[in-house]
Amino acid sequence: NAGVIQTPRHKVTGKGQEATLWCEPISGHSAVFWYRQTIVQGLEFLTYFRNQAPIDDSGMPKERFSAQMPNQSHSTLKIQSTQPQDSAVYLCASSLAGQNTEVFFGKGTRLTVV
Amino acid sequence: SQLAEENPWALSVHEGESVTVNCSYKTSITALQWYRQKSGEGPAQLILIRSNEREKRNGRLRATLDTSSQSSSLSITATRCEDTAVYFCATDSGQGGRALIFGTGTTVSVSP
Repeated sequence: NAGVIQTPRHKVTGKGQEATLWCEPISGHSAVFWYRQTIVQGLEFLTYFRNQAPIDDSGMPKERFSAQMPNQSHSTLKIQSTQPQDSAVYLCASSLAGQNTEVFFGKGTRLTVV
Repeated sequence: SQLAEENPWALSVHEGESVTVNCSYKTSITALQWYRQKSGEGPAQLILIRSNEREKRNGRLRATLDTSSQSSSLSITATRCEDTAVYFCATDSGQGGRALIFGTGTTVSVSP
């Protein structure tokens, strides 16, 4: 079990460019989560899928951010027209179905917008 | 505003000493989880304590939960340098959602 895999680990984009972050959840996990972590804001919830369907995107910025889960083995987080304030570590996590189950995190993608 | 918040913001101890991180939360919960995040890694679960439990242990870790005061604590005994990390408490959003909402974290530094 390789755990949750996130690629790339580091990404540098120019202001205004698009960034796509990839996540491969643990096989058999039906819930996939995206979080963003910064020094100032801490660990912020962005969005959550269950069985590939979007369930809660209440943490997603209304503009420029979108997340997809086209199949059970991967999810993507896309940021259009990146801005310096988008610089953060983006963490993907997965868990089994059910309430209060352990959530397993990937190592994150560090996005730097220059 | 945060649904959960740890305090203090940071702690420093020497190896072998004990350390306690506190958490206060704002919603009714079915469970509270403690996570640890080491540098360069994602958070990893340490303990899940359910609302009908008052105490839970996992090796050198002990978590308590007081639902009347909406608070929890995580204690680590016989600390080691490898316990150096940021410690978070996390609860669900309390609105029927399942996503974990994390506190701001307590940085624990253990020195030799």
